Amino acid sequence: GAGVSQSPRYKVAKRGQDVALRCDPISGHVSLFWYQQALGQGPEFLTYFQNEAQLDKSGLPSDRFFAERPEGSVSTLKIQRTQQEDSAVYLCASSLQAIHGQFFGPGTRLTVL
Amino acid sequence: QQQVKQSPQSLIVQKGGISIINCAYENTAFDYFPWYQQFPGKGPALLIAIRPDVSEKKEGRFTISFNKSAKQFSLHIMDSQPGDSATYFCAATAGSSNTGKLIFGQGTTLQVKP
Repeated sequence: GAGVSQSPRYKVAKRGQDVALRCDPISGHVSLFWYQQALGQGPEFLTYFQNEAQLDKSGLPSDRFFAERPEGSVSTLKIQRTQQEDSAVYLCASSLQAIHGQFFGPGTRLTVL
Repeated sequence: QQQVKQSPQSLIVQKGGISIINCAYENTAFDYFPWYQQFPGKGPALLIAIRPDVSEKKEGRFTISFNKSAKQFSLHIMDSQPGDSATYFCAATAGSSNTGKLIFGQGTTLQVKP
């Protein structure tokens, strides 16, 4: 596609539910990033993939957060047993290589009730 | 630890004026400094970026000024337009880390009055 796409755009979950957020990067982009953006704040890094390899997951806030990119293209961010503090916009970005500019998707707004 | 500090938090400029947003960083390993523009409900869009081997980069009405010794960089928007009203984020990354993860500033909400 022309840009990074994410689905769903909005997700409402009850506390304790599991959620899965999908990211379709720009075709051919090797690097894929997930960021979390709280209301009124800048995005914060969660994890990074180079092709299918997860090279950096230092930003994942807890072991309830899990990300995968099994075929080096589409990625899924999974949050287990969601908590209210997980409410945020989850942004996916991709780039040709890690050192190049990152292009962001529109984000998924997660609200945990 | 906050590694990129951005100011001001909000900015109001008249149409045609110059908007200036400043950022300071701590990590001397940072070697790539992009600016992103974000409209409500949208993802951040890459606006312009600079590497520390140059002191200034200009693209249209947008200019980045970079001061390596002071560890500061700024975005100047010339002839500001109402359509420029958005939130702007500076960011930094260390290419040597091989992950490319961006460290963002807190953001500046710009309002350009017609």
